[in-house]
Amino acid sequence: AQSVTQLDSQVPVFEEAPVELRCNYSSSVSVYLFWYVQYPNQGLQLLLKYLSGSTLVKGINGFEAEFNKSQTSFHLRKPSVHISDTAEYFCAVSARNQGGKLIFGQGTELSVKP
Amino acid sequence: DAGITQSPRHKVTETGTPVTLRCHQTENHRYMYWYRQDPGHGLRLIHYSYGVKDTDKGEVSDGYSVSRSKTEDFLLTLESATSSQTSVYFCAAGQGRGMDTGELFFGEGSRLTVL
Repeated sequence: AQSVTQLDSQVPVFEEAPVELRCNYSSSVSVYLFWYVQYPNQGLQLLLKYLSGSTLVKGINGFEAEFNKSQTSFHLRKPSVHISDTAEYFCAVSARNQGGKLIFGQGTELSVKP
Repeated sequence: DAGITQSPRHKVTETGTPVTLRCHQTENHRYMYWYRQDPGHGLRLIHYSYGVKDTDKGEVSDGYSVSRSKTEDFLLTLESATSSQTSVYFCAAGQGRGMDTGELFFGEGSRLTVL
């Protein structure tokens, strides 16, 4: 079975500052990794995904994440955040060849202050 | 939203009554999923479907059943609603296994309150 732990439930940050949202996962098989974003009162949308290849993955809205197999981590970063980045962010894992089920972490609430 | 609609979007019901939530997709996705979202728990998988009439349990399936008689529709039923099932329910769909794997497209959510 797979599990995901997001290490911070809330991350407050000032506008234009860098941010890192941390995600660790556990799995006995190879996995795909994802970050989703949820804006208030909306569904989730994909930010970025790691399937294979380069361990540095770039996504929408200037976000990027790095897959670190030895540390079983997939941290999300942005060098300069905007007020509009305020949202909840979910890390998720899907085991290869197991039907595409996504297992989500508990979520990290990013709050960007002016 | 990739053509995924949920109904109803909001529902208030009483303990012990049956409730059905509907998910409809227009993109011919093979896989469909029902998740519930609760504070501090993220999204937890209730049931999923990998084709018409093919369904399987997720991590929090007790008290829920599903049906998929057509590719485009996936129904979630609470046979006898309890207050612990008060939550926001999200439907998702995707192609699942294959070359484009893993990305799911989500509906807007259905907020259920059980009194």
